[in-house]
Amino acid sequence: EVQLVESGGGLVKPGGSLRLSCAASGFTFSSYSMNWVRQAPGKGLEWVSSISSSSSYIYYADSVKGRFTISRDNAKNSLYLQMNSLRAEDTAVYYCARGRTTVVVPANWFDPWGQGTLVTVSS
Amino acid sequence: QSVLTQPPSVSGAPGQRVTISCTGSSSNIGAGYDVHWYQQLPGTAPKFLIYGNSNRPSGVPDRFSGSKSGTSASLAITGLQAEDEADYYCQSYDSSLSAWVFGGGTKLTVL
Repeated sequence: EVQLVESGGGLVKPGGSLRLSCAASGFTFSSYSMNWVRQAPGKGLEWVSSISSSSSYIYYADSVKGRFTISRDNAKNSLYLQMNSLRAEDTAVYYCARGRTTVVVPANWFDPWGQGTLVTVSS
Repeated sequence: QSVLTQPPSVSGAPGQRVTISCTGSSSNIGAGYDVHWYQQLPGTAPKFLIYGNSNRPSGVPDRFSGSKSGTSASLAITGLQAEDEADYYCQSYDSSLSAWVFGGGTKLTVL
């Protein structure tokens, strides 16, 4: 069974940092691109970042560019999101999701999704 | 303000058919980029529902169908069931933003 399990969320003060992790199992992790998508409380879905299978290609939403860093460790079947300079508007449930193929294409989709981890940015 | 526009809510009685629209522009749906759909049941993560405008992943009932025309796409659900009550999101790619974009979501209520 394909499974994605996020961890690392929590309460952090504005300007602080947090590192999210996503543990993958049930599929060949190194053969797929991976993504982070977030959902603010009571709001819709927002794409955050994507990374190709070999980490050669990385993409960020403008809202997080320069503050967040996506990375992966194929040997550990893990995806990461380093979040710096956090703002109140970054408060959301962060989901990791598998991409469509090895590279990140415009026709990219997100399937499956993890259960999400809540990040709360508040003083 | 989402790049892809969906109605905030739709409703229907059990057994009925409902449609959810997703309206974009010439930089996303109208540019030929595929539309995908997701279902989010209350308190759970989104689930992949339709890919490539009109294709169902294995395990998705054929009561769910998708279509695309011009700058819009639609999700149709026939034979409504109580368990279909959820939020539904469309997703595509926007070349002006160089970003993957979602609609604002539509809450389906089964009366």
